Amino acid sequence: AQKITQTQPGMFVQEKEAVTLDCTYDTSDQSYGLFWYKQPSSGEMIFLIYQGSYDEQNATEGRYSLNFQKARKSANLVISASQLGDSAMYFCAMREITGNQFYFGTGTSLTVIP
Amino acid sequence: DAGVTQSPTHLIKTRGQQVTLRCSPKSGHDTVSWYQQALGQGPQFIFQYYEEEERQRGNFPDRFSGHQFPNYSSELNVNALLLGDSALYLCASSFGRTTYEQYFGPGTRLTVT
Repeated sequence: AQKITQTQPGMFVQEKEAVTLDCTYDTSDQSYGLFWYKQPSSGEMIFLIYQGSYDEQNATEGRYSLNFQKARKSANLVISASQLGDSAMYFCAMREITGNQFYFGTGTSLTVIP
Repeated sequence: DAGVTQSPTHLIKTRGQQVTLRCSPKSGHDTVSWYQQALGQGPQFIFQYYEEEERQRGNFPDRFSGHQFPNYSSELNVNALLLGDSALYLCASSFGRTTYEQYFGPGTRLTVT
């Protein structure tokens, strides 16, 4: 089974609007971390936000927030007030306490429309 | 504060050849992980090095090997290149064995012809 599933290959959002990128995960570990990365066309993976499995509050970093629903095993990224520079690929990732590797989803391509 | 650096930026090789990619971790980091990202896919974990040893390995053949030096920099070697090895190779660094946070380099784009 896939560890990370991103079901939206592509998304469009109007500038200044909010957008939600979906991510579901699969793990039997009790302790794990969930991440979102942004990858512009240049290729570098840029860390956006982190949520620990024991964190009771949803993580927020500026315009980024992570909607963490543990029972549903979902970790959706919400970008508020979208900007043209937000156009990029977005990857959800997970690291389990039992291992050292990160598992990535297939990504969502976000396009911000002026 | 220097981030993660990788060299070379781009590389073109012929099928059957061997290639070496290099990575210098972010200052203060001692753990290096390597990922392969095929076009249109998410990164796939190759292996991780800590204290100059391979700590964990993903589902990659033995043609993929690595090394970590005392200064924590790392090399990824791929032997007997196949067309399917064409990808963006990403290096990520972190501190310690249990940290969750990792920082990525800009990647090396490998094309095998």
